[in-house]
Amino acid sequence: DTGVSQNPRHKITKRGQNVTFRCDPISEHNRLYWYRQTLGQGPEFLTYFQNEAQLEKSRLLSDRFSAERPKGSFSTLEIQRTEQGDSAMYLCASTTGGSSSTDTQYFGPGTRLTVL
Amino acid sequence: RKEVEQDPGPFNVPEGATVAFNCTYSNSASQSFFWYRQDCRKEPKLLMSVYSSGNEDGRFTAQLNRASQYISLLIRDSKLSDSATYLCVVNKPTGGFKTIFGAGTRLFVKA
Repeated sequence: DTGVSQNPRHKITKRGQNVTFRCDPISEHNRLYWYRQTLGQGPEFLTYFQNEAQLEKSRLLSDRFSAERPKGSFSTLEIQRTEQGDSAMYLCASTTGGSSSTDTQYFGPGTRLTVL
Repeated sequence: RKEVEQDPGPFNVPEGATVAFNCTYSNSASQSFFWYRQDCRKEPKLLMSVYSSGNEDGRFTAQLNRASQYISLLIRDSKLSDSATYLCVVNKPTGGFKTIFGAGTRLFVKA
C-alpha cells in the first residue's frame, strides 16, 4: 500500500499520560499536515511541514502538543499530559508540496485517541 | 463566526434527485477551494477542486463566487453511494497557508 499510513490506529490512555503518534506520508511527498477531528466536526488544522521545516502551527496546538519531521519523511505528533478533551481522531495528510496551495491532500486512516 | 461555514444538514433525498450544498468563507484573501467527501469513520478524500470559472466532473458541479465568498456543490442524479459528509475546504494565506475545513454537510440518499 503506497498511501499515507498512521500508527497506531487506536490508542486508549489515562489522563496525564503522554502519547505519540506516527505518520508515514506518500513517498516523495514534501508536505505533511496534522489535523484533529471530533465527532460532527470537520478536521481542524494543527500544523504542517514542508520537508523537515514546520511552517505553520495552529493556536489549537498548545504547548502540550509537539510535532516533528526530523528527516523530512515520517512525522510524529506527541501529546504530553493528556486531557479528556484531547480525545479525537488525529489525521495526517500529505501532498507533493511546492509553493502551491492547490495540491490535493491525501489523508491517512487516522489515529483514534481516547483519554480516560 | 467560523472561518468556513456549511449547513450541517442532513439532506435526505431520493435516488435521482438533484441536491445543492453551499459554503461560505470569511477570509477574502483565500486562495484555493475544494470539496472533500468523508464516509462514516473514514478519512476525507478529495472530490473536486473549485475554480473561479466553475468546473464539472460527471454528475458533480462546483462553483466559486469570490465576490460573495461562497462555494457551491451540485450533485445531479443522486446515487445511494453518494451518501456521505461533504466537506468544504479553503486554503487561506498566512505567510505560508492554512487549510480550513468546514464542519461538513451530511447527505443521505434513499432508494
